[in-house]
Amino acid sequence: AQTVTQSQPEMSVQEAETVTLSCTYDTSENNYYLFWYKQPPSRQMILVIRQEAYKQQNATENRFSVNFQKAAKSFSLKISDSQLGDTAMYFCAFMRIRMYSGGGADGLTFGKGTHLIIQP
Amino acid sequence: DARVTQTPRHKVTEMGQEVTMRCQPILGHNTVFWYRQTMMQGLELLAYFRNRAPLDDSGMPKDRFSAEMPDATLATLKIQPSEPRDSAVYFCASGLAPRGSGEQYFGPGTRLTVT
Repeated sequence: AQTVTQSQPEMSVQEAETVTLSCTYDTSENNYYLFWYKQPPSRQMILVIRQEAYKQQNATENRFSVNFQKAAKSFSLKISDSQLGDTAMYFCAFMRIRMYSGGGADGLTFGKGTHLIIQP
Repeated sequence: DARVTQTPRHKVTEMGQEVTMRCQPILGHNTVFWYRQTMMQGLELLAYFRNRAPLDDSGMPKDRFSAEMPDATLATLKIQPSEPRDSAVYFCASGLAPRGSGEQYFGPGTRLTVT
């Protein structure tokens, strides 16, 4: 079984600052994806960024980037030039890639989340 | 604009009543997931289907929960009888496997309150 740990229940930064959210995971799998999802007060789950475990290059999406350390099983999210609209819960998630039953992705295992508050 | 839809968005019911939640996955997606979100447990995978067949329902309490896909455009999650501890937000998500990106597209959720 996989576990995902987010050690920061809440973080608060000033608008335009850079913030890093931490995530560690535990697995014996070698083929997997990692994700960061954002959940604003509307409750909608929004994908922020994804990383394939076999890729060494860290994923980036505009102001969002990750620091993926496979050996350390660490997957942190960096938000640059933070904006008020970034205020939300952020969830780190692990997905095993199923090698049987037709292949493909498995269900997501989520961390407990980090509540990020961007102050004006 | 392809989206996952869920009905109802909100449901308040009394303990012991049957509850049915519905999900319409994105057209063409062959994998459907059910998740539950509570303050105490966070987000948990309940079950998921691929090509309408159940692949994993180990996260689901078997005595009162059941999940089905009557056809490719409809997934249902049923609770009978419901209990106050079932109060949560239930999310449906869909995706494409095995050739997809692994991304799951979430519906808006059903907020269930059992009194």
